[in-house]
Amino acid sequence: GESVGLHLPTLSVQEGDNSIINCAYSNSASDYFIWYKQESGKGPQFIIDIRSNMDKRQGQRVTVLLNKTVKHLSLQIAATQPGDSAVYFCAENAGQAGTALIFGKGTTLSVSS
Amino acid sequence: EPEVTQTPSHQVTQMGQEVILRCVPISNHLYFYWYRQILGQKVEFLVSFYNNEISEKSEIFDDQFSVERPDGSNFTLKIRSTKLEDSAMYFCASSGLGGATGEQYFGPGTRLTVT
Repeated sequence: GESVGLHLPTLSVQEGDNSIINCAYSNSASDYFIWYKQESGKGPQFIIDIRSNMDKRQGQRVTVLLNKTVKHLSLQIAATQPGDSAVYFCAENAGQAGTALIFGKGTTLSVSS
Repeated sequence: EPEVTQTPSHQVTQMGQEVILRCVPISNHLYFYWYRQILGQKVEFLVSFYNNEISEKSEIFDDQFSVERPDGSNFTLKIRSTKLEDSAMYFCASSGLGGATGEQYFGPGTRLTVT
């Protein structure tokens, strides 16, 4: 069945380092992938998305990489800041509005200064 | 920047009682969703809603759950007879123009505590 998961439950980095958060998915039919950030007591906040016809997309300080061959997704955060500390989830769906997002288990990123 | 809002932020209820969780999606969005997150676990899909009807629902969304868009701005989730295991954060989300976009924007959540 469908499943989206993250390789590590926690990641600790120093301020200024680059962070890489990984996610593996199992549904080859998935067309659309999103990374969300969730701070304590808040709802998931959209960070960046990517469609299956791309292998890389860059935003402000963030880059998402998609490797469809091995069904792997990663989020790279450049120059990590204490404000980046949160739980990061990858999510996927068939890429159509109105369809369920399937979330992975989350990686807790801790940034120390 | 437009955002999804939810009320109340925290709801405490006794087992067997009915609760209604309320959401105001982003105003020009057409698709609406409810998700839940049990403490420390991942976010789980409950239901999606479009054009005044349910478009998709999960196994969690059984007969005790219902959704409604009572007017042009609100979107509600009703749990008819709450159980202890319904305690969770409930998130409303909305997404925009149909077809190609899958991006969903989430509200801050309602923490439901069933005692």
